[in-house]
Amino acid sequence: EVQLVESGGDLVQPGGSLRLSCAASGFTFTTYWMTWVRQAPGEGLEWVANVKQDGTEKNYGDSVKGRFSISRDNAKNSVYLQMNNLRAEDTAVYYCVRGTASWTFWGQGTLVTVSS
Amino acid sequence: DIQMTQSPSSLSASVGDRVTITCRASQSISSYLNWYQQKPGKAPRLLISAASNLQGGVPSRFSGSGSGTDFTLTISSLQPEDFATYYCQQGYSTPRTFGQGTKVEIK
Repeated sequence: EVQLVESGGDLVQPGGSLRLSCAASGFTFTTYWMTWVRQAPGEGLEWVANVKQDGTEKNYGDSVKGRFSISRDNAKNSVYLQMNNLRAEDTAVYYCVRGTASWTFWGQGTLVTVSS
Repeated sequence: DIQMTQSPSSLSASVGDRVTITCRASQSISSYLNWYQQKPGKAPRLLISAASNLQGGVPSRFSGSGSGTDFTLTISSLQPEDFATYYCQQGYSTPRTFGQGTKVEIK
């Protein structure tokens, strides 16, 4: 059974940093791109970033470029999202998803709240 | 970036109604169009990929069509469990982008 379990969400002050983790299981992790998608409270879905199977290619949405960094550890079947210089508008549930173009498997999400 | 525009933003319908949601891309995306259903407090569920490919376990009352810039999600006979928000998403280019969502409510 495919499982994606996010962790690391928290309340953080504007300008602060946070690192999200996603532990994957139930599939061959090294054969899939991995993606982060977020959803602000009461809002729609926003693609955040993705990372290629070997970690050599990474892409970011315009709203997070230069502040967020995606990475993966294939030995630990995990993907990460390092979030720096957080803003109020980064407040959202962050989902880890498998794949790059369409997403069958989603984690349960982890809530990041940016507020003073 | 490719902009995805859904219409309507919301609709009210009755059980048994036929419901159609449209999604328009700002440029051609071939058939790289996916549809998701999301219920409150839950992660989205992939219903249809590649414009018309029904995912396993998804009821056959859901169907998708279109190519290029114009796409449609149809629910042939709305059921109580179908009241949710629906999103289209393009997988043609990066950044991936979503429509703003269509909330299907009970009339």
